[in-house]
Formats: sequence, C-alpha cells, structure tokens
Amino acid sequence: EPEVTQTPSHQVTQMGQEVILRCVPISNHLYFYWYRQILGQKVEFLVSFYNNEISEKSEIFDDQFSVERPDGSNFTLKIRSTKLEDSAMYFCASREIATNEKLFFGSGTQLSVL
Amino acid sequence: QKEVEQNSGPLSVPEGAIASLNCTYSDRGSQSFFWYRQYSGKSPELIMFIYSNGDKEDGRFTAQLNKASQYVSLLIRDSQPSDSATYLCAVNKGFGNEKLTFGTGTRLTIIP
Repeated sequence: EPEVTQTPSHQVTQMGQEVILRCVPISNHLYFYWYRQILGQKVEFLVSFYNNEISEKSEIFDDQFSVERPDGSNFTLKIRSTKLEDSAMYFCASREIATNEKLFFGSGTQLSVL
Repeated sequence: QKEVEQNSGPLSVPEGAIASLNCTYSDRGSQSFFWYRQYSGKSPELIMFIYSNGDKEDGRFTAQLNKASQYVSLLIRDSQPSDSATYLCAVNKGFGNEKLTFGTGTRLTIIP
C-alpha cells in the first residue's frame, strides 16, 4: 500500500529555533494536512492545503507556522520560533481528490523543544 | 463541553468477546464520523467511517450512528489480541475530512 513519508522521525531543537518538518504525500493525492498530538492528548488539526493554498487552519496554526509545497512531491511545515509547548508528534496526512473517506497518515515526526 | 468525548478506559475484553466503544459529540451539524485505531507510538489508521443513522458493518467491525442522540459507537466482534490499541473517534462538519475533530481515545486491551 502507498505511504505518506515523513522526515525526520525525531527532531530535537532549542527553544526559539526554526524547524522544518518534511512530508512526501502519496503521489496522486491532492489534499494535504498537518495534525499534531501532544503526548497523552488528542490528535489536533493544524492545517489543510489544496491547490497550493491553505484551505482551512485551526487556532493553533498562528503566525509562527507556515506550510509550503516547494515542488511536486514535498509538503513542509515550518515553525519559525519554536516554543516548549510545540513539543509534540506531528503527523502529515493526505487524501485523493475522489476518495473523501480515507485519510492516509504518515508515521509522524516527534518534535522535542528544549 | 468537549467536542468529542470518549471514555479513556482502559477497557479490558476477553479474547473472542465483543468490544464496545462509545463516543458522543457536541456539534449537531456534524455530518461524517470516523473510527481510527492507533497503536502506541504509531499514526492513526482508519477503521470505519459512517455518514447515515444506523449500522455499518465491515468484517468484524460495526459502526453505529444515532444523530438524534449525537452518539457513535464501534463494535468489534471476535476480539483478537492484535485489536489491543487506542481507538479514536473523529467527526467532521462536512462530508469528507477537511478538518477532523478527534476525541482523546479509548484504550482497549484484549486479554488472551
């Protein structure tokens, strides 16, 4: 089965530093998402992206966050100045335009902000 | 009131028995409902989705939806040790899943 690939699997950074989390969605998918899960808490929606623009974002996705699809395959999440509370597992997800139900999640990037 | 509520568990069920997982949601405008399975340290994996009131069966899994009561459930028949995981209920205001709102999940343990 095709997979959403995320790199790195673990990222450790100092508070205030910028991080970029990378994702390669499934090749024929057109809708892309970032979710996060703080340890022991629920999965939270951050942002959805379609046709090279943000289609929806949550209140968590403030000015410190940005997303980009720099080429035909990658989808990135940038956090400009990380805070301790940004420590979480970040999941990228994608879905096909014609198949609304199945959202494919990547294996996640565990971000630790020290 | 939480948007999506689930009993955190743990729920322990003997192997071969039926596991029953429940979820309530607060937004009456919710249209689509999903059950995800999440193994420890792994990403969520879609098990079932349901849009209409009633039951929907897929193999050993049955999703049940009651929009009047704002209630969704998941039944797992003939429970196996490999079913031990956290089960996440998620809802969406529109068909499809632009923005899923998740519950905190119910931890299920199948006892051999």
